Amino acid sequence: GQQLNQSPQSMFIQEGEDVSMNCTSSSIFNTWLWYKQEPGEGPVLLIALYKAGELTSNGRLTAQFGITRKDSFLNISASIPSDVGIYFCAGQLGSNYKLTFGKGTLLTVNP
Amino acid sequence: DARVTQTPRHKVTEMGQEVTMRCQPILGHNTVFWYRQTMMQGLELLAYFRNRAPLDDSGMPKDRFSAEMPDATLATLKIQPSEPRDSAVYFCASGSPGGSGANVLTFGAGSRLTVL
Repeated sequence: GQQLNQSPQSMFIQEGEDVSMNCTSSSIFNTWLWYKQEPGEGPVLLIALYKAGELTSNGRLTAQFGITRKDSFLNISASIPSDVGIYFCAGQLGSNYKLTFGKGTLLTVNP
Repeated sequence: DARVTQTPRHKVTEMGQEVTMRCQPILGHNTVFWYRQTMMQGLELLAYFRNRAPLDDSGMPKDRFSAEMPDATLATLKIQPSEPRDSAVYFCASGSPGGSGANVLTFGAGSRLTVL
């Protein structure tokens, strides 16, 4: 089955630093999604990417859909304490296919 | 804000007991997903429905788990009998079409299950 490798597993950074995390897949996806999960809550969608090569921003977040369709990255600029959480990538092959999730990147931001 | 509602938020039960988790998807969403989250395995898909029909439940242990959608406003996940290894957070998510017809999922807050 499809597997997503998400890295890094965890990050400890200082407030104000930029963050980069990525996901790679053994097979192609048609859609890449990035979610954030805070303690005691479900994942919340941050960015959705639908085309290879697409670069999309949402405030301080920027994500790209790799041109090979097998990878995606998420950047967070000028991190703040409320960026703390677990970030998940997810890939989907088509509208009738399930979402496959990465194992997540735990982000800690020190004020 | 439209949201996915899950009940109960927390459940502690003893091994062998039946557990039922419920989910109210967002009105108008025609796909519903059940995920299980553990530290070791991350988010695993258990089952999903489109227009109330089960499309894929291959991730679900069939001998003890069952998922149903009695109507468009209710999805249930039942475990009978429960075992300690079922302890996890169970998420329901409902989907709306995004770009290219892909499912963009909205997750509920989860049901944290502890089986003693």
